[in-house]
Amino acid sequence: GENVEQHPSTLSVQEGDSAVIKCTYSDSASNYFPWYKQELGKRPQLIIDIRSNVGEKKDQRIAVTLNKTAKHFSLHITETQPEDSAVYFCAASRGAYGGSQGNLIFGKGTKLSVKP
Amino acid sequence: GAVVSQHPSRVICKSGTSVKIECRSLDFQATTMFWYRQFPKQSLMLMATSNEGSKATYEQGVEKDKFLINHASLTLSTLTVTSAHPEDSSFYICSAREDRQNSPLHFGNGTRLTVT
Repeated sequence: GENVEQHPSTLSVQEGDSAVIKCTYSDSASNYFPWYKQELGKRPQLIIDIRSNVGEKKDQRIAVTLNKTAKHFSLHITETQPEDSAVYFCAASRGAYGGSQGNLIFGKGTKLSVKP
Repeated sequence: GAVVSQHPSRVICKSGTSVKIECRSLDFQATTMFWYRQFPKQSLMLMATSNEGSKATYEQGVEKDKFLINHASLTLSTLTVTSAHPEDSSFYICSAREDRQNSPLHFGNGTRLTVT
């Protein structure tokens, strides 16, 4: 089955700096890669996602890149703010294009701390 | 946007009793829902895939007789933790996706289960 590795497990940056979180996956059939932000005791919130037919996607300060050949994808947050502090999870799934194979396999998470 | 409602948000029960958790898609139909479990400071682990009108698909290592899943309608899935033990104490989160292509996964608010 799919296995998703995520690094680093913790990341501390100064406000205004950039943060990069990297994930690798094992199942070459995976075609959907979302990133979630989870604050303590709350549900994961989708912040950005990318499908296998795209190499890069950007939404304001957040961007995700995907390298299908190497089977890795990364989250980039620029101009970080204290409110970006949370745990971030990457995930992989075969289910981007419909059907019931939508179960996400999550990485272990990265605790991001943005210091003012 | 699509909303997934999960109840209860917190429950404390005695060892040996059963607890039912509900997951509802409020404004969309979901043929498939997913149940995750999250221990403190750890990632979300997929427990099972709930399919409307048919049996759930359980992940390896998850006891189907202990974690009963019922998906009787297109908007409701329930997870019953039977004969709960302290080691079942965890954060349980359901998720659902709309029955259309490229629909993202939406998470419920989660249920904090404490077994005393």
